[in-house]
Parts: sequence; C-alpha cells; structure tokens
Amino acid sequence: EPEVTQTPSHQVTQMGQEVILRCVPISNHLYFYWYRQILGQKVEFLVSFYNNEISEKSEIFDDQFSVERPDGSNFTLKIRSTKLEDSAMYFCASSAVGGRETQYFGPGTRLLVL
Amino acid sequence: QKEVEQNSGPLSVPEGAIASLNCTYSDRGSQSFFWYRQYSGKSPELIMFIYSNGDKEDGRFTAQLNKASQYVSLLIRDSQPSDSATYLCAVRNAGGTSYGKLTFGQGTILTVHP
Repeated sequence: EPEVTQTPSHQVTQMGQEVILRCVPISNHLYFYWYRQILGQKVEFLVSFYNNEISEKSEIFDDQFSVERPDGSNFTLKIRSTKLEDSAMYFCASSAVGGRETQYFGPGTRLLVL
Repeated sequence: QKEVEQNSGPLSVPEGAIASLNCTYSDRGSQSFFWYRQYSGKSPELIMFIYSNGDKEDGRFTAQLNKASQYVSLLIRDSQPSDSATYLCAVRNAGGTSYGKLTFGQGTILTVHP
C-alpha cells in the first residue's frame, strides 16, 4: 500500500541552525501539506502546496519557513534559523485532490532544537 | 478562529464495551470530517471520514454527523485493548482560503482495559 515517507525520523540541531525536513508523498497525489505537533498539544497546520506553489499558510509559517518541491517526488520543509520553540513533531501529508480527499500522514520527523 | 473541541479524557472503557467519542466544531462552513487515531509518538492514522448528516459505519466503527448541532462523534463497538490511543477529530472547509487545511481537536485519550 502506498505511503508517505519522511526523513530523517529524528533531528537534533542547535538553535540558529538551518534544518531541512524531507518528505516523499504518495506518488499520484497532487496536494501536499506540512503540520506540526508540539509535545502534548494539537496537530497544527503549517502550509499546503499545490501546482508548485503555496496554497495556504498559517500564522506559524513565517519567513523562517519555506517549502519546495525540488523534483517530481520530494517535498521539503526548511527552517532557516531554528528556535527552541520549533521543537516538535513535523508531519507531511498528501492527498489526491485538495477538496474532500483524505490526507494521509507520514510517520513524522521529531525535531529537537537545543 | 475556527475551533474543534474534544473532551481530552481519558476515557476508560472495559474490553468489549462501546466507546463514544465526541467532537464539536465552530465553523458552519465545515464540509468534511475525519477521525484519526494516534498512538503515542506516532503519526495520525485515518479511521473514517464523513461528509453527510447521519451515520456511517465501517466495521466496528460508526461515525455520526449532525451539521445543525455542529457535532460529530465516533462509536467504537466491541472495544479492544489495541484500540487504546488518542483519537483526533479533524475538520475541513471546502473553498475559500481554508481549502484543504485540516483543523484538529486536541484529541481524546481512550483506554480499553481487559
């Protein structure tokens, strides 16, 4: 069964460093998303991406964040200068169509900023 | 602010019983409703989705939607210890700037004891 994959599974970084989180969405899916979940809190939407551009972004997704689809399979989230409060689980999701279609989540990357 | 509210629990039920999980949402424009299951440290896993008022059954799971009351629920029949997890209610609008984005509740912790 097709699934969303994410790498790395864990990332530890120093405050101020740049990190890139990688995702491979399900191959025939067209809509891509990043969510994050701070420990003990809700899953929060960060950004959606379609047709090589951002469809929507949340207030969390400030200038420190960017997304890219560098090739036909990968979808990346870059945090330019990490802060302590960026420590969270980051989930990539994809869906076949952005409307009613179900979003399938990857296993997540646990980011720890020291 | 579009909110999704769930009782955080924990909800404890004996094995074989029916577990009832509830969710309310604030945005009347919401069109699609999802239940995800999340084991500790793992990503959300889709259980069911529902779009229309009424009940939708899938195996031991039944989702119920009442758009007039802005209420969605999940019933788990014949609960098993393996059902012990956090259950996330997620809501999506269709159209406008919220196209595609899921808004999650904080989740209800379910414990099924033998």
